[in-house]
Amino acid sequence: GNSVTQMEGPVTLSEEAFLTINCTYTATGYPSLFWYVQYPGEGLQLLLKATKADDKGSNKGFEATYRKETTSFHLEKGSVQVSDSAVYFCALSAQISRRALTFGSGTRLQVQP
Amino acid sequence: ETGVTQTPRHLVMGMTNKKSLKCEQHLGHNAMYWYKQSAKKPLELMFVYNFKEQTENNSVPSRFSPECPNSSHLFLHLHTLQPEDSALYLCASSQEQGQNTEAFFGQGTRLTVV
Repeated sequence: GNSVTQMEGPVTLSEEAFLTINCTYTATGYPSLFWYVQYPGEGLQLLLKATKADDKGSNKGFEATYRKETTSFHLEKGSVQVSDSAVYFCALSAQISRRALTFGSGTRLQVQP
Repeated sequence: ETGVTQTPRHLVMGMTNKKSLKCEQHLGHNAMYWYKQSAKKPLELMFVYNFKEQTENNSVPSRFSPECPNSSHLFLHLHTLQPEDSALYLCASSQEQGQNTEAFFGQGTRLTVV
C-alpha cells in the first residue's frame, strides 16, 4: 500500500538558517506529491506540489523536487523566518489506487529569533 | 473566504449529547473527506464521499455518523462520544477521489468531550 515517511520533529532552527525536512514515499503507480503546512489553530494549507518525476514545486521560498529514483520529496528553504514555525506534512495522491491522500506524520518546525 | 468552511470552530459536548459538525465547500469539488487529528498522532482518515456516495469508512465507530446530502455539504453527526474522541476534526475536498489532485482543507472543528 501507499505510505509516507517523514523525519520526526521538532526541528528547531535559528532565524535565517537553512531548512531541510526529509520525506520518502512508497506508492503504486506514479503519485503526485504534496507538502502541506499547518499553522497553530488552523487547518492544513497546500504549500507546494509536484506531479511527475523531476518536477520542482516551489512557494514562499520553499522548494521540493520529486525524485523518483530515491522516492523522495524533501522540503527545503534557504532562510527560515519565525513566521515559518508550523507543522509540515508530506503527502501523496496515487490515481491508480483511487485512495484519498496519504499523509506523513508531520514535522514540527520551531524557528527562534 | 476560504474554499472550505467548517462550523463550529470549537465545540464542547458531554458524553450523552448529540451534536453535528458541518462542512461546506465552494470549489465545485466532487469528493469530500473527514479527518481526525489527535495530539501526537498522525492524521486519521475517517470517511470519504465521492459524488455523494461513501467510498471509504476506515473502521470508524458508529458513534460517528457522516452525511453527504450533496457534493457541497458534508456533516458529521456525533452521539455518545468518549473523552478520547476529543480532537481537531478536519474536513477537506478535492475535484474527485484519486485523481492526483490536492485536497483543500477547512480550518477544523476543535472538539472537546467532557
